[in-house]
Amino acid sequence: DGGITQSPKYLFRKEGQNVTLSCEQNLNHDAMYWYRQDPGQGLRLIYYSQIVNDFQKGDIAEGYSVSREKKESFPLTVTSAQKNPTAFYLCASSIDGPTGEKLFFGSGTQLSVL
Amino acid sequence: GQQLNQSPQSMFIQEGEDVSMNCTSSSIFNTWLWYKQDPGEGPVLLIALYKAGELTSNGRLTAQFGITRKDSFLNISASIPSDVGIYFCAGQLGSNYQLIWGAGTKLIIKP
Repeated sequence: DGGITQSPKYLFRKEGQNVTLSCEQNLNHDAMYWYRQDPGQGLRLIYYSQIVNDFQKGDIAEGYSVSREKKESFPLTVTSAQKNPTAFYLCASSIDGPTGEKLFFGSGTQLSVL
Repeated sequence: GQQLNQSPQSMFIQEGEDVSMNCTSSSIFNTWLWYKQDPGEGPVLLIALYKAGELTSNGRLTAQFGITRKDSFLNISASIPSDVGIYFCAGQLGSNYQLIWGAGTKLIIKP
């Protein structure tokens, strides 16, 4: 079955630590996205990528970094510069990138601070 | 950044009731979408709307693209327990713009 796989489901970060969230898709989609979800708020775009080795900042990129070395993979690193990292992180892909409206989402990673 | 005003914030419904929710904006959109998110999962696309006045159904769900292009509505008829979750609207200003998301409407079934 095609889809998007995010791992881990739950992640804990210590003070000053960088952590990396994994996102893999086998849908053969060119565009991939990272969103942050906080309770009671809409999704906010962190980074997006239209093609391998290319990515663009979204609305809240500060404190985050990404890479796109393979079409299937778009990992997100939450750096120590992100002072409020606790949130639900969603990875998505689209066949109509980079501004495709029909997004396919993974199941999310809940990041919490220890 | 841009905001969509989605209301209500939450709804307590009884099984069998009809449900209505809406999104409004001060900007004109060329695309409106409705997604549903189950607890601990990612959102899933329910309905996509591309023309002002368009009315589209997906089973018991019906969504409309407002005539002014500044709003959209989602109706759910005869609600069932699996309808619980968070419903998000999302709008796109144009083909070169990223989606803008509403804050969601949380649907809860009264015991």
